[in-house]
Amino acid sequence: EVQLLESGGGLVQPGGSLRLSCVASGFTFSSYPMTWVRQAPGKGLEWVSAISGTGAGTYYAGSVKGRFTISRDNSKNTVFLQMNNLRAEDTAVYYCANTAMMTFGGVIVPSDYWGQGTLVTVSS
Amino acid sequence: DIQMTQSPSSLSAYVGDRVMISCRASQSIGIYLNWYQQKPGKVPKLLIYGASNLQSGVPSRFSGSGSGTDFTLTISSLQPEDFATYYCQQSYTTPQNTFGQGTKLEIK
Repeated sequence: EVQLLESGGGLVQPGGSLRLSCVASGFTFSSYPMTWVRQAPGKGLEWVSAISGTGAGTYYAGSVKGRFTISRDNSKNTVFLQMNNLRAEDTAVYYCANTAMMTFGGVIVPSDYWGQGTLVTVSS
Repeated sequence: DIQMTQSPSSLSAYVGDRVMISCRASQSIGIYLNWYQQKPGKVPKLLIYGASNLQSGVPSRFSGSGSGTDFTLTISSLQPEDFATYYCQQSYTTPQNTFGQGTKLEIK
């Protein structure tokens, strides 16, 4: 059974930092890119960041570029999101997800695995 | 960046109705379009991938169509459990997979 368990959320003041972690199990972690998606209270889903299976490729939404850093430790099946210079508009539930659309022999094999989310609140 | 625009933003319908939700990409994305369903307090659930492929376990009343820039999610006969928010997502620039703003489907 695939499991994704996030931690690290909490209340932080504007300008502060938090580091989110997500421990994965039940699949070959290093073979899959991993993604962070957030959802502000009462709002829609926003793709935040992703990292390739090896960690060599990292990708960011424009709203977080330069402030957030994604990384992974494949020896510990863990992906991280370091969030610096946090703003009120970063307040959201942050989901770790494996939503890769892998192609094998021309056939798309989708992944659809999400953690339960961790709440980040940026407020003074 | 590819922008995804859904219409309508909200929709009211009766149980048994046929419902269609549209999604438009700001540039051609081929068939790299996915649909998710999210119920309050729950994580999103993949319904359709590759524009028209039904995810395992998803009822056949859900279907997807389209290519290029215009896509449609159709629910052929609404069931009570289908009232939720639906999101399209492009995976053309994977893993930078941006979402549409969502369509909230409510009971009339």
